[in-house]
Amino acid sequence: NAGVMQNPRHLVRRRGQEARLRCSPMKGHSHVYWYRQLPEEGLKFMVYLQKENIIDESGMPKERFSAEFPKEGPSILRIQQVVRGDSAAYFCASSPQGGLYEQYFGPGTRLTVT
Amino acid sequence: QKEVEQNSGPLSVPEGAIASLNCTYSDRGSQSFFWYRQYSGKSPELIMFIYSNGDKEDGRFTAQLNKASQYVSLLIRDSQPSDSATYLCAVTGRRALTFGSGTRLQVQP
Repeated sequence: NAGVMQNPRHLVRRRGQEARLRCSPMKGHSHVYWYRQLPEEGLKFMVYLQKENIIDESGMPKERFSAEFPKEGPSILRIQQVVRGDSAAYFCASSPQGGLYEQYFGPGTRLTVT
Repeated sequence: QKEVEQNSGPLSVPEGAIASLNCTYSDRGSQSFFWYRQYSGKSPELIMFIYSNGDKEDGRFTAQLNKASQYVSLLIRDSQPSDSATYLCAVTGRRALTFGSGTRLQVQP
């Protein structure tokens, strides 16, 4: 599968638990972006990473959210102490280069907080 | 003013007609422009990208860019019911893409 992979596809967490979302970029892509889409709303940028570096996290909430893209393995978006307002679809996209180039999206992780 | 603006629709066209989707953006420094299609409950799928003023055609799709007017459009010729989806306009910002809220297209059989 040469596309962007995300898992899990669906994740249910109770309030206060932690959510970990994983993203493996397309082969040959080293730039990863995370977006969040709330129900009936548009896509909002959260964070942009390259291997071992956070390039831009200007869209990330200041608390409870963190992201990493280690040298080996997938990119991880971590949400601590989830609240109901975190329920959304979280999409990962990858790009062969940053900046102006097209981004390809994974299938998303749908997080439900109960 | 929103950074990327689209009419939310729904835009309803009969099968076989041309669907015209429009988008305006506020950042004059934007250099790359993208159209994504998103079916309900699915992820965005890249349809077209355009970097230069003018038209770019790919099959039934034509993207048009006018940087002076800060305007991007997508034309879908011979619209099919399977084209019914939300179309997202995206513009490169400082680091990542800024998306419009999307236009919902309905193609009536």
